[in-house]
Amino acid sequence: GQNIDQPTEMTATEGAIVQINCTYQTSGFNGLFWYQQHAGEAPTFLSYNVLDGLEEKGRFSSFLSRSKGYSYLLLKELQMKDSASYLCASMDSNYQLIWGAGTKLIIKP
Amino acid sequence: DAMVIQNPRYQVTQFGKPVTLSCSQTLNHNVMYWYQQKSSQAPKLLFHYYDKDFNNEADTPDNFQSRRPNSSFCFLDIRSPGLGDAAMYLCATRTGDITDTQYFGPGTRLTVL
Repeated sequence: GQNIDQPTEMTATEGAIVQINCTYQTSGFNGLFWYQQHAGEAPTFLSYNVLDGLEEKGRFSSFLSRSKGYSYLLLKELQMKDSASYLCASMDSNYQLIWGAGTKLIIKP
Repeated sequence: DAMVIQNPRYQVTQFGKPVTLSCSQTLNHNVMYWYQQKSSQAPKLLFHYYDKDFNNEADTPDNFQSRRPNSSFCFLDIRSPGLGDAAMYLCATRTGDITDTQYFGPGTRLTVL
């Protein structure tokens, strides 16, 4: 079956760094997406990885290891506005996104 | 600005009373998706269109139907809403490039009384 696993909730301190992990098992693989979703709002795109390695985009970076079926999202210099859910989604062989349930990130002052 | 628009943002309906949710896009994207998302859960794909080609997910209930009368608009019809259909309904679009991101509308929160 197809499965995306990510922690349900994480807590971090303003100004700190946090890493949100995601493991995936999908039939075929055409890339790994990370989205941010604030409560009651739609997901917004953060990153896309299809090759192994780290992609850096400002305060946010995303890492992929295809051999391990593993990705992480790294958030640096955390701000209160980063409090949101972070959804990991793997694109399968049919080019459909298989979504995780999201990791709720709570930022404390 | 080019965008994905959903109307209404909040919809309240009675148990069993048909309801239609609408989505429009100014992005000129080929693909349009409808997702259902319940609290703290992953978005669940209901349907998607690639241009006029309609794709129904195997586990989408028969109670849910969709129409795409033209490239800009897409509708989700819920024929007889049940209490379990209360959720956020998200419309998303994508270009024909399969690796492009999906662009989401703001969602319609459906309440069933």
